[in-house]
Amino acid sequence: DTGVSQDPRHKITKRGQNVTFRCDPISEHNRLYWYRQTLGQGPEFLTYFQNEAQLEKSRLLSDRFSAERPKGSFSTLEIQRTEQGDSAMYLCASSLAGEDTQYFGPGTRLTVL
Amino acid sequence: GDSVTQMEGPVTLSEEAFLTINCTYTATGYPSLFWYVQYPGEGLQLLLKATKADDKGSNKGFEATYRKETTSFHLEKGSVQVSDSAVYFCALSRGTGGFKTIFGAGTRLFVKA
Repeated sequence: DTGVSQDPRHKITKRGQNVTFRCDPISEHNRLYWYRQTLGQGPEFLTYFQNEAQLEKSRLLSDRFSAERPKGSFSTLEIQRTEQGDSAMYLCASSLAGEDTQYFGPGTRLTVL
Repeated sequence: GDSVTQMEGPVTLSEEAFLTINCTYTATGYPSLFWYVQYPGEGLQLLLKATKADDKGSNKGFEATYRKETTSFHLEKGSVQVSDSAVYFCALSRGTGGFKTIFGAGTRLFVKA
C-alpha cells in the first residue's frame, strides 16, 4: 500500500490558463475527497466522491472548477481560467465508505502568476 | 454550520515543557474529533482521534479527551521534543455529512532545544 499520491506536486501557471491535478487514492478506498488549503489556514472541503458518483460540492467550488472520478479509482480536479486567488495547496484524501478516518496525499501546490 | 476553533499560534516552548493546544467545536449530533499534524514540507498526518464522549485518543505521547459538555478536544503532551515542531490541526467529521472533515485554522508549535 503506497498511500494517497498526487501529481504534480507543484504547478506554476499564468493567470487565465487551465490546470489539471490528479489524485490516486489508496486502492481499496471507495471515497475520495478534495480540499483546498491556503497559507496559514486549515484545509477547506471542496467535493467528494463515492466510487464514480460526486455526492457533494462545496459552495467554494465555483463553476471554473470541475472534478471527475470516471472509473471510481483516480480523480482529476480541473481549474479553468485560473485566477491569482486560486493559488493554494490542493489536497486529496481517501477513505472507506462509512469510516471517519481519511488518509491524505502530499498535496499539489498551485501558484498562479 | 459545523465549525472548529483552536488557539492561535505560534506557540513557542522549550524542550520537555508541557503542551496544551485548545480546541472547541460546534456541530450537531455526535461528530468524530481528530488532531492532525503537518510537519514542515510534508502532508497531513492523523495524530489521534476520538469518536464518542469521554473517549481519549492518544498517540506518540499526545492525548486529547472528547468533552461533550464543554464541546472541547484539547491536545496535550507532557514533555515536548524539538521534533514535535509542526502545525497542529483540530478537526471534526460527521457521518451525516459524508464524513467530510472540517478543520480549525491550525496552531504552529515551535520547540526550542
